[in-house]
Amino acid sequence: AQTVTQSQPEMSVQEAETVTLSCTYDTSESDYYLFWYKQPPSRQMILVIRQEAYKQQNATENRFSVNFQKAAKSFSLKISDSQLGDAAMYFCAYRISLFKAAGNKLTFGGGTRVLVKP
Amino acid sequence: GAVVSQHPSWVICKSGTSVKIECRSLDFQATTMFWYRQFPKQSLMLMATSNEGSKATYEQGVEKDKFLINHASLTLSTLTVTSAHPEDSSFYICSAPPDRPMNTEAFFGQGTRLTVV
Repeated sequence: AQTVTQSQPEMSVQEAETVTLSCTYDTSESDYYLFWYKQPPSRQMILVIRQEAYKQQNATENRFSVNFQKAAKSFSLKISDSQLGDAAMYFCAYRISLFKAAGNKLTFGGGTRVLVKP
Repeated sequence: GAVVSQHPSWVICKSGTSVKIECRSLDFQATTMFWYRQFPKQSLMLMATSNEGSKATYEQGVEKDKFLINHASLTLSTLTVTSAHPEDSSFYICSAPPDRPMNTEAFFGQGTRLTVV
């Protein structure tokens, strides 16, 4: 079974600084997708960034970027120029290819709470 | 963008009663929807996969008779918590991946906070 592990329960960052969130996963699949979701106090899940395992290039979305190390099964998220609105729970998530049964089922890590200090 | 509407946002019910939670895709069709449960300060745990036109698939350890799922149409799935007890109090979230285009990520509802007293 696939597992996703986030080893940092909480991270604190100064506004405008950079913070990196760790995520490791375990899978025997070769075709899969990795995600970072943000859950603010409203508890609405928001997709931050997505990485296809077959792509070597790391995904970026504005101030958010990932460091995807497929061999090490590591998928970290870097938040640059942190803003107060970045304060939230961040979940790393995994799913297999959509062409497999239940391909859209997500497995989530335990989450990391990000605190942003003004 | 695509929206998934989940209703109600919060509900308080008495122990022993049943509660129905709706998950509706507003501008797309979703043959499959997912129901998650989230305890305070914890992650999302998949409870079941809702399939339009067929039975739901439940994850190990989830009681089928307690958490009834009905996927009545391509835009609506419902989760009914039957004979609710205080330990069923939790945050329930649905997600729906659009059928088209393929390889589109699922959208999440805003969640339902259930409190059983």
